[in-house]
Amino acid sequence: QSVVTQPPSASGTPGQRVTMSCSGSSSNIGSNNVNWYQQVPGEAPKLLIYKNDQRPSGVPDRFSGSKSGTSASLAISGLQSEDEADYYCATWDDSLNAMVFGGGTQLTVL
Amino acid sequence: EVQLVESGGGLVQSGGSLRLSCEASGFTFSNYEMNWVRQAPGKGLEWVSHISSSGSGIYYADSVKGRFTISRDNAKKSLYMQMNSLRAEDTAVYYCARRDQFDGFDIWGQGTMVTVSS
Repeated sequence: QSVVTQPPSASGTPGQRVTMSCSGSSSNIGSNNVNWYQQVPGEAPKLLIYKNDQRPSGVPDRFSGSKSGTSASLAISGLQSEDEADYYCATWDDSLNAMVFGGGTQLTVL
Repeated sequence: EVQLVESGGGLVQSGGSLRLSCEASGFTFSNYEMNWVRQAPGKGLEWVSHISSSGSGIYYADSVKGRFTISRDNAKKSLYMQMNSLRAEDTAVYYCARRDQFDGFDIWGQGTMVTVSS
């Protein structure tokens, strides 16, 4: 059981806006940067959002991140079929001295 | 091209040992902190270990502490993970990942599969 919690699934139709949450505590999200990763089945994860709300070069601006207190969220606007993947949030935990990943949210594009 | 390539995975019996390697290319390896992350079949990502750029700062997940040892050779641009006393629950794809200045893992290898048979 991860100390950072994500809903196991989310879904949307093409063109729709979808958000997914990442909930933690003061020792992790509350005091450290949150990063988001996209993983297409069978492939290595890819950094999608870093430092809470920054996009690496090459990541479409349809993807956005935010953080407030001990929670973070990832939003995908203009949903596309290629966005179907697993999404993970991650942050450092000062109490555990460990990087912690959320359990992941499986996104289905209907 | 910036790249990480893992090797060393395979099938091993419970209680056995294995050494994973990760070779870097396309960037100044000695400038970056590195990590190992694993993913059991059908499961999510699990952070395993971190090593600082010089090798002096090391952290482990509780699940592998005392059994796994991370190390690096900056001259060879390589990261290693010595895995001892392997258990069935260590069965996973093991990825090496480069950590950027904001804690993000910005470059990942393709992964190497470790299977521990009981």
